[in-house]
Amino acid sequence: EAGVTQFPSHSVIEKGQTVTLRCDPISGHDNLYWYRRVMGKEIKFLLHFVKESKQDESGMPNNRFLAERTGGTYSTLKVQPAELEDSGVYFCASSQDGGISTDTQYFGPGTRLTVL
Amino acid sequence: AQSVTQLGSHVSVSEGALVLLRCNYSSSVPPYLFWYVQYPNQGLQLLLKYTSAATLVKGINGFEAEFKKSETSFHLTKPSAHMSDAAEYFCAVSDKVGFQKLVFGTGTRLLVSP
Repeated sequence: EAGVTQFPSHSVIEKGQTVTLRCDPISGHDNLYWYRRVMGKEIKFLLHFVKESKQDESGMPNNRFLAERTGGTYSTLKVQPAELEDSGVYFCASSQDGGISTDTQYFGPGTRLTVL
Repeated sequence: AQSVTQLGSHVSVSEGALVLLRCNYSSSVPPYLFWYVQYPNQGLQLLLKYTSAATLVKGINGFEAEFKKSETSFHLTKPSAHMSDAAEYFCAVSDKVGFQKLVFGTGTRLLVSP
């Protein structure tokens, strides 16, 4: 069974540019999460999809970030325009069950975003 | 609000020595607790989780953790370190109510020397 995959693995962009990160969850997983780790700090929750619907987007930093999950399969996270403080590692995770608190979330390897 | 504190950003042990990684949590309600490990160039992998059953939880690769409510702790231990245990370890907490939203600590990098 393929795990959670993320693309690209690394992205280096200039301030003001746009970047789109992609996440492919484990097949059949309805729940998809995005997290971010800024260097040296904790991994922080960004948002949670149940199928194609946003269940919780309380962690999204601001309106420069747009997440979508068309058709309830893969998800994209777009940053437009990117700022220096957006640099970090963006993780995607998926889970199979009801998204409840005992679930196991399966994480992808992350996308390292560097904004210059 | 929930929070997790991991004491020590780096922990060094010798191969064969006891591994102890500390995690303290703050939660207004009884939590669920998790330990994840990240090996180089890989995603986070669940080591073990506490979900209100036994307070001593056994995980993969010989790791275990004990939930101590009185100390608000969930420390991770392994009796004998192996070189392959070198990785970064994350403690996380989740509220029992509603959908899961993990709150992570800052991580502890475990270094294992021969």
